[in-house]
Formats: sequence, C-alpha cells, structure tokens
Amino acid sequence: DAGVTQSPTHLIKTRGQQVTLRCSPKSGHDTVSWYQQALGQGPQFIFQYYEEEERQRGNFPDRFSGHQFPNYSSELNVNALLLGDSALYLCASSSRTSGSVYEQYFGPGTRLTVT
Amino acid sequence: QKEVEQDPGPLSVPEGAIVSLNCTYSNSAFQYFMWYRQYSRKGPELLMYTYSSGNKEDGRFTAQVDKSSKYISLFIRDSQPSDSATYLCAMNRYSSASKIIFGSGTRLSIRP
Repeated sequence: DAGVTQSPTHLIKTRGQQVTLRCSPKSGHDTVSWYQQALGQGPQFIFQYYEEEERQRGNFPDRFSGHQFPNYSSELNVNALLLGDSALYLCASSSRTSGSVYEQYFGPGTRLTVT
Repeated sequence: QKEVEQDPGPLSVPEGAIVSLNCTYSNSAFQYFMWYRQYSRKGPELLMYTYSSGNKEDGRFTAQVDKSSKYISLFIRDSQPSDSATYLCAMNRYSSASKIIFGSGTRLSIRP
C-alpha cells in the first residue's frame, strides 16, 4: 500500500503565477482534505472533497480551488500567488464509508516557495 | 484568540524522562481530540485520539482530556531519542469527517 502520495515535492513560483498540486489518496479512501502549514505553525484546513464535490471549506480566499477526480485523486489550485502562500501543503485522505474521521492519513506534503 | 493554544517549545529532556505536552482550547463544542507527531519534512502521523473527557493509554503514550477545563495532555513515558519530533494537538466537533483544528505544535527533543 503506497499510502498518500503528493507531487511535486518542492515548487518555486513567482508572485502572480498559478500553481497546481496533486494528491493520490490511500487505497480504499474516498475523501481528500487539503491543509496549509506555514513554518512553525500547525496545519490549517483549506477544503475537503468527497464524491467530486467540495464539502467543507476553511477560511481561505477563492484563489484557492480544488478538484476531485473519479479515481478519488485530487488537485489543489492556487491563483495569483502571494508571498504569504509560501508553505507546506498537505493532503490527507480518509474514508467516509468506513473507518473513522480520526483516521486521516497525511501525505509528505508539497513545499511551495513564492518569490 | 486562537481556538487551540499550544506552547511551541522547544522542549528538551533527557532520555528516559516523562514528557508532558499540553493544549488548551476555547470552543466547548469540540468532542474529538487527537495528537499527531510530525518529523522534519514529513506529514503528520496520528498517535492517539480520544472522544470527550477521560484517559487513553497506548504503550508509552497516554492522552488525557479534561473538557471542564478545556485542557488536553499527552504524556510520553520512557522517552527515546526517536520521539524527537513536533507534536500537534488537534480536535474537531462532529463524528462525521469534519475539519480538524490543529494547535501550532510543540517541538520536542530527547537528549541521549
């Protein structure tokens, strides 16, 4: 079992650009959540996808958008990048149909640097 | 005021010591409480979870929740250098897959 995978590992972008991050959930999981973790801080919830729809959203602007595909993988898109978007972006997968909410398995993250 | 407060440390203790990590929270609606461990350049790993008030033990780890005081703790007995990591407390309100609110993390170092 590969667990949660994320790509790319690292990314450097310029202010104003757009970025797409990708996540493949753990086998058997149908729900993907995205978190932003700034340096020295805990992860902050961005949004969650289930059945290809955004189900919950945290306090993030519309520049942050996502998508979930039929195979449960997911993308996080950030438009008009700001310096403050520099962070580790974490994907977590879980199952709504089996298991419990606590069992959110995190990927290794994508470290985004905006210059 | 943040919903979840956690002392960032760093906390340094000798090998074999008992470690106590704590968080306070303000939202009385939280019912599910978790502790995650995060090694450098890795994603968080779930260590313990507890529903409502009480204690839960798993090997060298004990989680305590006191809802009346809005205070949660994680104790690590016989600490090992491999326990050196950042520990994140986390909580959420519902039994469904609702968003998890994390503390800022405490950086722990175990000295051999």
